[in-house]
Amino acid sequence: KQEVTQIPAALSVPEGENLVLNCSFTDSAIYNLQWFRQDPGKGLTSLLLIQSSQREQTSGRLNASLDKSSGRSTLYIAASQPGDSATYLCAVRGNYGQNFVFGPGTRLSVLP
Amino acid sequence: EAGVAQSPRYKIIEKRQSVAFWCNPISGHATLYWYQQILGQGPKLLIQFQNNGVVDDSQLPKDRFSAERLKGVDSTLKIQPAKLEDSAVYLCASSLEFGKMNTEAFFGQGTRLTVV
Repeated sequence: KQEVTQIPAALSVPEGENLVLNCSFTDSAIYNLQWFRQDPGKGLTSLLLIQSSQREQTSGRLNASLDKSSGRSTLYIAASQPGDSATYLCAVRGNYGQNFVFGPGTRLSVLP
Repeated sequence: EAGVAQSPRYKIIEKRQSVAFWCNPISGHATLYWYQQILGQGPKLLIQFQNNGVVDDSQLPKDRFSAERLKGVDSTLKIQPAKLEDSAVYLCASSLEFGKMNTEAFFGQGTRLTVV
């Protein structure tokens, strides 16, 4: 059974800092991994999708990497802004069309 | 492109009452998911449909929860009777069918259910 963990659970940084969020999964037989952002009281917004054959994906100030063999993914946020404050969730999908299994999320606060 | 639509946005009911949620996925998305998200936790799958067939409902409390996806488009999730521990956000998501190159999942805004 796939299990996903995220470290740290919460993070508070001053504006302008570069930061890294971590996601670990127990079963390396994944089809893809997706990072989401969730604002309070809202649904999930997709940030980046990495297929199992890919090593990284970039979108603007965001860069996500995937090391399938070690069961890890990182989300790098450059030059953080107060508007980046939200909960960040990673989710993995298995090789046989299984559903997305989510981690508990990292709650990020970027202070002005 | 229209996103995943859910209604209602909020619902407050008393325990033992019934409630239903509605979801309209992105056009052309064969796969539809219902997730339950308890405050402070990541979403947990309740049921996954491929067109109008159930792929995975292993975590759906079938004694009180039911879901259907008639005609392979819209879906409804029902709880009857509700318990206090059902208080959560119910999220609907959709994606292209498994096997396509891009099976990115898109989520709706969710329905926040409070059972009192």
